[in-house]
Amino acid sequence: KAGVTQTPRYLIKTRGQQVTLSCSPISGHRSVSWYQQTPGQGLQFLFEYFSETQRNKGNFPGRFSGRQFSNSRSEMNVSTLELGDSALYLCASSLEWSYEQYFGPGTRLTVT
Amino acid sequence: AQSVTQLDSHVSVSEGTPVLLRCNYSSSYSPSLFWYVQHPNKGLQLLLKYTSAATLVKGINGFEAEFKKSETSFHLTKPSAHMSDAAEYFCAVSVFGSSNTGKLIFGQGTTLQVKP
Repeated sequence: KAGVTQTPRYLIKTRGQQVTLSCSPISGHRSVSWYQQTPGQGLQFLFEYFSETQRNKGNFPGRFSGRQFSNSRSEMNVSTLELGDSALYLCASSLEWSYEQYFGPGTRLTVT
Repeated sequence: AQSVTQLDSHVSVSEGTPVLLRCNYSSSYSPSLFWYVQHPNKGLQLLLKYTSAATLVKGINGFEAEFKKSETSFHLTKPSAHMSDAAEYFCAVSVFGSSNTGKLIFGQGTTLQVKP
């Protein structure tokens, strides 16, 4: 089976712009979670989607949003980018919440 | 509330010697516990998981972890380190509950250095 794929792998954006990141889960996986990884804050949970519904959300401002499509692919969007949004954004998929999560390679976002 | 503490931010071992990476957790419920490894510029790879079956869990690449409820610990071990084990290791907890669905809580990570 193919693993979790994320596109693009690298992004450079300017402060104030918006960005959309994409995640394709492992075939058959219906749960997709997003995490932000920074040197200072470590790995932090953004949100989780299951069957096109957001089931859980972390402590991030409303500028961070996401969605899931009927084929379980997910996108996350960050509007009005700030310098502090520079991070590695990781997507993970699982069969269900109670199963182990498998991570993609991440999207490295740099905000200048 | 659930939390994970990795007791060492950096561990250095010589190739061929044992590895011990320490993780303590806090949870009000029966947790599921995981160890992930991250090589530079890569995503996280699952090493092993504990989900209330056997307390000694075997993972990939010769790694093991033992769940000790009395000590709230889930330490990762390997009998003999290899140069390719040099990476960042993360301990994580997942707990059932409406506020925690689909959420992994991670420790701050331990950097493992393996010296030749």
